[in-house]
Amino acid sequence: NAGVTQTPKFQVLKTGQSMTLQCAQDMNHNSMYWYRQDPGMGLRLIYYSASEGTTDKGEVPNGYNVSRLNKREFSLRLESAAPSQTSVYFCAIRDRGGLLYNSPLHFGNGTRLTVT
Amino acid sequence: SQKIEQNSEALNIQEGKTATLTCNYTNYSPAYLQWYRQDPGRGPVFLLLIRENEKEKRKERLKVTFDTTLKQSLFHITASQPADSATYLCALARGYNKLIFGAGTRLAVHP
Repeated sequence: NAGVTQTPKFQVLKTGQSMTLQCAQDMNHNSMYWYRQDPGMGLRLIYYSASEGTTDKGEVPNGYNVSRLNKREFSLRLESAAPSQTSVYFCAIRDRGGLLYNSPLHFGNGTRLTVT
Repeated sequence: SQKIEQNSEALNIQEGKTATLTCNYTNYSPAYLQWYRQDPGRGPVFLLLIRENEKEKRKERLKVTFDTTLKQSLFHITASQPADSATYLCALARGYNKLIFGAGTRLAVHP
């Protein structure tokens, strides 16, 4: 998906290990999001950043931290990975301005994380 | 809290027929509702948005309806093709800056 790049694409961690998922965009959008997707659960919002310098919790923030490094980059960190964090993680971006609060999300292609 | 329900069973249809997918929600009616398509191994891709004051929206072979009385949106693909096979997600607004998603319905179009 043009515009949103996620790295790495795949990762296997042992319980207790830490890692950072990276997300970078080249669409100059203000808002950035981290979702996780599990079978039968749909996409669940972990954290989001409405604009550079701000971050807020979503539905399932426990066990995660985020950093909005600049307008382009939004990283998700797992300090001590647990098997329950095995999932596919998607970064998404959205433009925001005026009445564009209903603008669509643009997603990256995800990071597939397995915690053993 | 707001919940979204999409049929978890896959929808199998014959090529050329109309596919109809359902999205039901509880509690308050959102200001708008969005539909996305997701292919295996890829991120969701936005298809259509419909606002609460719109009954119907069309884009090529796609049509979305929004019934705030029934708390339901229907997503139609007319003259379906095997290339339409994918999982379709609905999403609705929650507050100013959040979207919540349904689990999606997988559509399989058979030649």
